[in-house]
This record gives sequence, structure tokens and C-alpha cells, in this order.
Amino acid sequence: DAKTTQPTSMDCAEGRAANLPCNHSTISGNEYVYWYRQIHSQGPQYIIHGLKNNETNEMASLIITEDRKSSTLILPHATLRDTAVYYCIVRGVTSGTYKYIFGTGTRLKVLA
Amino acid sequence: DAGITQSPRHKVTETGTPVTLRCHQTENHRYMYWYRQDPGHGLRLIHYSYGVKDTDKGEVSDGYSVSRSKTEDFLLTLESATSSQTSVYFCAISEATSGVYNEQFFGPGTRLTVL
Repeated sequence: DAKTTQPTSMDCAEGRAANLPCNHSTISGNEYVYWYRQIHSQGPQYIIHGLKNNETNEMASLIITEDRKSSTLILPHATLRDTAVYYCIVRGVTSGTYKYIFGTGTRLKVLA
Repeated sequence: DAGITQSPRHKVTETGTPVTLRCHQTENHRYMYWYRQDPGHGLRLIHYSYGVKDTDKGEVSDGYSVSRSKTEDFLLTLESATSSQTSVYFCAISEATSGVYNEQFFGPGTRLTVL
């Protein structure tokens, strides 16, 4: 599975969009980008995933560059409850590659 | 939220004692995973299961064993606990649809302290 690089921490004002970047320059053609977050000491929570097209759901949007070497998770209107550690993970979804490799993630702090 | 429970939620034990952590799911998902989380390391995979009685090692499996005799239960055993195994342990489940492995859902975690 490809390695990812994320900033250690970021701040965002409440009500503003939070844009969390992730670099995955060694991603291969069959690998998806997944985003999870972990609020305080809870279990990680799935947010969104994508292959090459931009994706949007009720929680967030995922923008993947055309060369797929990087992506950005967008929380359109951040709230205090979005303060968490956000993990970007790249992995294949077939051929027995069941495993995620978590990095240390980005600690997002939403400021009032 | 996915139906995943972990027990116990907190445990304090002494070095050298055996410990078993239980993960129980009500989703009938095929795949189950055990992770540990330590400061500065994110989550690291210990073992995973791809079906009843089918398990395999993750990246930090030394000192741990697992068993899965039923779809709904995945047990993690520390045969002889050491202080280095003090950690927060998370269980996760996932399913596959038409050969595509879907997102993982995580349990609430078990905080284990080995004195």
C-alpha cells in the first residue's frame, strides 16, 4: 500500500471550510484514497473514499488531483465537533489487500 | 453506528498474566481486525480475520494470538502480558461486495494497562 504524508496539525475557524491535504505520490492505479477521523479517544470513523473522481457525501468532499498523487478532504462548514485527528489512507480494495496502514494523521483544531 | 462492542472497556493487569479481549459484532461482516494505538504511532494492525477460523498476522503480531470460532466474535489473547502491551486496542469490521473490500467500522476501544 502507498505511503501517505499529511501535515501534523492545522487550525480552522468555526464555520469556515477546513481543507486537509494528503500526499500519496506512490499511489498505484488500483488504490483508493480513504479518509477517517478519530475524535478524542473514540474509535476511528469512516468519512469518505474515492479512486479518481471527486466525491461528496453528507460529511465531506474529497478532491483528488488528476495525477492522483495528492488529495484534499474538505469539511465545508467546520464546527467545534469536527476537532479530531484525520487520517488519509491509501489501499487497494481487491486481491486480498484487506489491510489499512494508518499514519499519524493531521490533528485538526476548530477554533470558536 | 455499526453494531460492534468490545469487552472489557478497561482492564488493569500484571505482567505475566494472560489477557483476552473480546470483539463482538451484530453486522454479520466477514472481516474483523484488531489494532493497537499508542502515542506517536497511530493505529497499527495486530491480526485480522477473513472468515471463521481464518486469520492472519498484521504488522505488530508478536506476543498476540487470535481466534474466531463464530462470525460474530473475534478474540485477542495476550498469553503473557508485558508492559509494552499497555495500549488502547480497537476492533474493526468490514465486508466485501463483489470482490471490493469496503470501509472498516471501528469499535469503542479497550484500554489495557499492564503493570
